[in-house]
Amino acid sequence: SQKIEQNSEALNIQEGKTATLTCNYTNYSPAYLQWYRQDPGRGPVFLLLIRENEKEKRKERLKVTFDTTLKQSLFHITASQPADSATYLCALDSNSGYALNFGKGTSLLVTP
Amino acid sequence: GAVVSQHPSWVICKSGTSVKIECRSLDFQATTMFWYRQFPKQSLMLMATSNEGSKATYEQGVEKDKFLINHASLTLSTLTVTSAHPEDSSFYICSARDLAGGPGDEQFFGPGTRLTVL
Repeated sequence: SQKIEQNSEALNIQEGKTATLTCNYTNYSPAYLQWYRQDPGRGPVFLLLIRENEKEKRKERLKVTFDTTLKQSLFHITASQPADSATYLCALDSNSGYALNFGKGTSLLVTP
Repeated sequence: GAVVSQHPSWVICKSGTSVKIECRSLDFQATTMFWYRQFPKQSLMLMATSNEGSKATYEQGVEKDKFLINHASLTLSTLTVTSAHPEDSSFYICSARDLAGGPGDEQFFGPGTRLTVL
């Protein structure tokens, strides 16, 4: 069955450092992969989309890599800030049209 | 950016009652909307795909007679939880794709509705 795995343990880092989150998947051949941010009690907010033919994509302090051989995506936040503290979700296309399958998310806590 | 709203943001009801949740795309049209459910510390689980003007497509294990979906216009989809029970207590989130969007384009999520069934 298709699986999306994200590190379930919370990631605690110091302000200014780079946070790196991992998303691994099995039994998928995704055309694209997306990363979302979710704050407590709120819906997910889109951050970045990377397609299968792209190795890396950047947006301001965010960087995403996509290795279809390793079946892995890495999500980096450089110069992290306490405001970056949230849960970050990895999502892949599902078998249901344009709906998404989500990982459980990794909680990031950035301390001053 | 595109905005999706949900109403209500939270609801508490008695067991056996029905609850309707609205999902609206405020500044774009959406032929397709999606309904997800999220339990604490869990991932979002797709419940159904709502198609404007046609029947919704439900995921395996989701009872279509219990979770009624209506997508009457290009900007509104509703989810009705019928005869709600405590196990239906969850965070319900909808999302929508812009009519002009292509495969893989971002989805816009609503803020979610917290349902608590007593």
